[in-house]
Amino acid sequence: DTEVTQTPKHLVMGMTNKKSLKCEQHMGHRAMYWYKQKAKKPPELMFVYSYEKLSINESVPSRFSPECPNSSLLNLHLHALQPEDSALYLCASGQMNTEAFFGQGTRLTVV
Amino acid sequence: AQSVTQPDIHITVSEGASLELRCNYSYGATPYLFWYVQSPGQGLQLLLKYFSGDTLVQGIKGFEAEFKRSQSSFNLRKPSVHWSDAAEYFCAVGELQNTDKLIFGTGTRLQVFP
Repeated sequence: DTEVTQTPKHLVMGMTNKKSLKCEQHMGHRAMYWYKQKAKKPPELMFVYSYEKLSINESVPSRFSPECPNSSLLNLHLHALQPEDSALYLCASGQMNTEAFFGQGTRLTVV
Repeated sequence: AQSVTQPDIHITVSEGASLELRCNYSYGATPYLFWYVQSPGQGLQLLLKYFSGDTLVQGIKGFEAEFKRSQSSFNLRKPSVHWSDAAEYFCAVGELQNTDKLIFGTGTRLQVFP
């Protein structure tokens, strides 16, 4: 299994809603990542988990809250988002000093 | 700080023509280099990578790239483009201090005409 699976594929949420994005990998990778990608822009790193511990937080607003329940799962909890947070959210996994494998992303629209 | 430059925002080629996408990096040591491809609304797929060794690397879908230290470049090539190659292409480098962090170029959008 060489896939990173993200759910849901699409999400529309209001600014007062709470929702979660989910990501799963079964490749035994020890690192998992959240990226945010706006239209016509490259992905921007948000968070990195290494061995289930948060190792990088790229100064992301607190309305985004990551969680890594185990080595295969990564969640991104969303609360009180703004319309400018609408984007494609990409999850990835990898090992140190190797490539990252990306999921298909969740298209998030905040209304 | 490390950086990646993709000078071409948009490239148009005819199907069957050859392709070269440019990538230049700013780095103090031998970098980890990657090319990813992204179709609209999709995730990123790794085409190829360079860590060390042979400077000409082969990837999937008939792509190859050549690492040239003297030019700080890692250009992507394909001898004959197919219509299905139309997509966004990103060059990326692994950050020196933390190889978990990928630094992406701004991307090159490839359009293929029949």
